[in-house]
Amino acid sequence: QSVLTQPPSVSAAPGQKVTISCSGSSSNIGKNYVSWYQQLPGTAPKLFIYDNNNRPSGIPDRFSGSKSDTSATLDITGLQTGDEADYYCGTWDSSLSAVVFGGGTKLTV
Amino acid sequence: QLQLQESGPGLVKPSETLSLTCTVSGDSISSSSYFWGWTRQSPGKGLEWIASIRYGEDAYYNPSLKSRATISVDTSKNQLSLKLNSVTVADTAVYYCARPCRGGRHDAFDIWGQGTMVTVSS
Repeated sequence: QSVLTQPPSVSAAPGQKVTISCSGSSSNIGKNYVSWYQQLPGTAPKLFIYDNNNRPSGIPDRFSGSKSDTSATLDITGLQTGDEADYYCGTWDSSLSAVVFGGGTKLTV
Repeated sequence: QLQLQESGPGLVKPSETLSLTCTVSGDSISSSSYFWGWTRQSPGKGLEWIASIRYGEDAYYNPSLKSRATISVDTSKNQLSLKLNSVTVADTAVYYCARPCRGGRHDAFDIWGQGTMVTVSS
């Protein structure tokens, strides 16, 4: 049981937009920055969004993040087949003094 | 360019201690303002943070693993280490070392090792 809650799977057609949600609580998302990771099969996770809505260098602007109260979302526009992957949200939990992750969402394009 | 390389035993017997190292190249683990951490992923499962440490400071642990895990820094070898004792099959996972993108933060990992698979089996 993950501290952060994500839908197990989402799907959309190429070119469309998809939103992945991440729900937490006042001790984690409510107080701290949220990050998003993309993980392709057999590879290490890759940071796609940090500090709620910032993209590391090289991440396309088709990917965007937002946060409101105790929830966060990752939006992906102009979906491409190469975007098929598992996506994880993560943050710091101030009550646990620990990094927490969502259970992951499998994106099918 | 910062790179992380994990190494481990591959196979560990139940009840034994798992020992992993992460060799850091491209940065000094002792002079860095960054926390260095371990995260694992069991087969077919999600990410689970284990612990993080900054040189000269106390470590932080996942409450569910705190009683069994020890994270440490070896400055002479520029390595991060993890020991997990009393392992069970539930500890079978790919273990990653990682560094956050901002100093002073525990999360938002932008640098990851390639991971090392550890299987717990008799």
